[in-house]
Amino acid sequence: EVQLVESGGGLVQPGGSLRLSCAASGFTFSDHYMDWVRQAPGKGLEWVGRIRNKPKAYTTEYAASVKGRFTISRDDSKNSLSLQMNSLKTEDTAVYYCTRGNYSGVNWYSGDYWGQGTLVTVSS
Amino acid sequence: DIQLTQSPSFLSASVGDRVTITCRASQGISSYLVWYQQKPGKAPKLLIYAASTLQSGVPSRFSGSGSGTEFTLTISSLQPEDFASYYCQQFYSYPLTFGGGTKVEIK
Repeated sequence: EVQLVESGGGLVQPGGSLRLSCAASGFTFSDHYMDWVRQAPGKGLEWVGRIRNKPKAYTTEYAASVKGRFTISRDDSKNSLSLQMNSLKTEDTAVYYCTRGNYSGVNWYSGDYWGQGTLVTVSS
Repeated sequence: DIQLTQSPSFLSASVGDRVTITCRASQGISSYLVWYQQKPGKAPKLLIYAASTLQSGVPSRFSGSGSGTEFTLTISSLQPEDFASYYCQQFYSYPLTFGGGTKVEIK
């Protein structure tokens, strides 16, 4: 059974840092692209970023709203995905989900499996 | 960035109704579109990928169609468990973007 379990959320002051983790199991983690998606309270979904797999040199993509502040990394030996968040702003307050990417035959889509989410609150 | 516009943003329907949600892209995205369902307090669930391919385990009353800039999600006969929010997302180019969502409520 595919499982994604996020951890590391909490309350942080503006300007602070936080590191989220996502533990994956039930599939060959190293084969898949992985994404982070967030959802501010009462709002819609926002894609945060992606990390590709080893054949694609673990390259990353980010939303403009987080580029330069957030860093996605992965450890295939531990089936683990991370999101390092620096210079946090109040508008980063959201539930953060890790999602598994899958290949459609022509391109990689995200979200065939999702974690339960972890809440990050940025407030003084 | 590619903008996805969903309509309607809210709809009220009855059990057994046929429901159609539209997602329009600001530029052509071929068939690189997925649809999700989200219930309150839960993670989204993938319904459709590549515009029209039903994800394994999803009931056949859900269907997707379209290509280019206009896409639809159809629920052929709305069931009580289908009252939820629905989102489209494009995976044609970065940044990946979501539509604003459609909330389906009980009439």
